[in-house]
Amino acid sequence: ETGVTQSPTHLIKTRGQQVTLRCSSQSGHNTVSWYQQALGQGPQFIFQYYREEENGRGNFPPRFSGLQFPNYSSELNVNALELDDSALYLCASSLTLNEQFFGPGTRLTVL
Amino acid sequence: GEDVEQSLFLSVREGDSSVINCTYTDSSSTYLYWYKQEPGAGLQLLTYIFSNMDMKQDQRLTVLLNKKDKHLSLRIADTQTGDSAIYFCAETFRDDKIIFGKGTRLHILP
Repeated sequence: ETGVTQSPTHLIKTRGQQVTLRCSSQSGHNTVSWYQQALGQGPQFIFQYYREEENGRGNFPPRFSGLQFPNYSSELNVNALELDDSALYLCASSLTLNEQFFGPGTRLTVL
Repeated sequence: GEDVEQSLFLSVREGDSSVINCTYTDSSSTYLYWYKQEPGAGLQLLTYIFSNMDMKQDQRLTVLLNKKDKHLSLRIADTQTGDSAIYFCAETFRDDKIIFGKGTRLHILP
């Protein structure tokens, strides 16, 4: 059984660009949540997808959007990148909210 | 509001017990969690406790929950160098999302 995987591991973009981050959920998990972890902070909830539908959203602007596919893998898209978007982006998959399994994250640097 | 508070740093001698404390905000939280994050890695779920429990023990880990004071603690017995990491306390908020604290960095002294 493979765990949660994310790609790419590192990414460098410039302000104003767009980025897509990918997450493959653990086998059998139908829920994917995305978090942003700024340096020295705890993860902040961005949104959650359950069976391809958005199922809750944190305090992030609409330029943060996502998708979940029929195989439950997911994408996080960020448009019009800002310097403050530099962070570790974590994906977590679960069958139930109480047991989320995290991937290793994608480190995004915005210059 | 949504706020999980924990001290930022804890230093413990190898072999001693570590106790990491946390206060949370949502009295209706269903689950409370402890996650571990090692340098450059994602989060590892250590343990969680259901809100109607007072205590949960799992090998070297003991979680205590005081619902009245909204206080959660994690005790690590016989702390080892491999326990050096950042520990995050987290709560479910309105059963809709998980809110994390800023993390407590555990440093092990030889």
